[in-house]
Amino acid sequence: GAVVSQHPSRVICKSGTSVKIECRSLDFQATTMFWYRQFPKKSLMLMATSNEGSKATYEQGVEKDKFLINHASLTLSTLTVTSAHPEDSSFYICSARRDRGQETQYFGPGTRLLVL
Amino acid sequence: KQEVTQIPAALSVPEGENLVLNCSFTDSAIYNLQWFRQDPGKGLTSLLLIQSSQREQTSGRLNASLDKSSGRSTLYIAASQPGDSATYLCAVHSSYKLIFGSGTRLLVRP
Repeated sequence: GAVVSQHPSRVICKSGTSVKIECRSLDFQATTMFWYRQFPKKSLMLMATSNEGSKATYEQGVEKDKFLINHASLTLSTLTVTSAHPEDSSFYICSARRDRGQETQYFGPGTRLLVL
Repeated sequence: KQEVTQIPAALSVPEGENLVLNCSFTDSAIYNLQWFRQDPGKGLTSLLLIQSSQREQTSGRLNASLDKSSGRSTLYIAASQPGDSATYLCAVHSSYKLIFGSGTRLLVRP
């Protein structure tokens, strides 16, 4: 149990376009979902925390108008990279948690974004 | 602000060696600590989770310890194998967030 999927696994887009990444909890309801970003050979950096039905909480330095997060249901959160630029190229990983407390997060397999 | 540091950044060992990966954190007020494995271009695989009240956890050839008062954790890998080659990430659960270290890239040579 506790499987999290991401779609797509890999995406290439042109500069200036918007890209949507989906994160789904397949066998449990996720009250809270997290979005991370990882640069090559670097660690995961938390971008934002989203609770179902409310606005996402963004970490310092993350542009909320650039990275739109929607958590409309208990099994789906989306991250939209708006007007993507080459510097947005990165590995994006989501995780999901059953409640708003301190329980374990379950991680998705990641999405590789390349902006040309 | 919680900061997590992992030493060494990279490690290369011959097959069969026992090895220790280190993780330190600056704020001892943590809920738990977790060790992950990440293969190149892939997501995270959870290896071990230690609650703040525990001192160690074991799974097969892996043993993780936690000394919360000193802000340290170690991951011990016994009898290393080439299949253990990956990046190992330590993360502390603090203030409802997971804060990651920068990882140790492990290469086990046949």
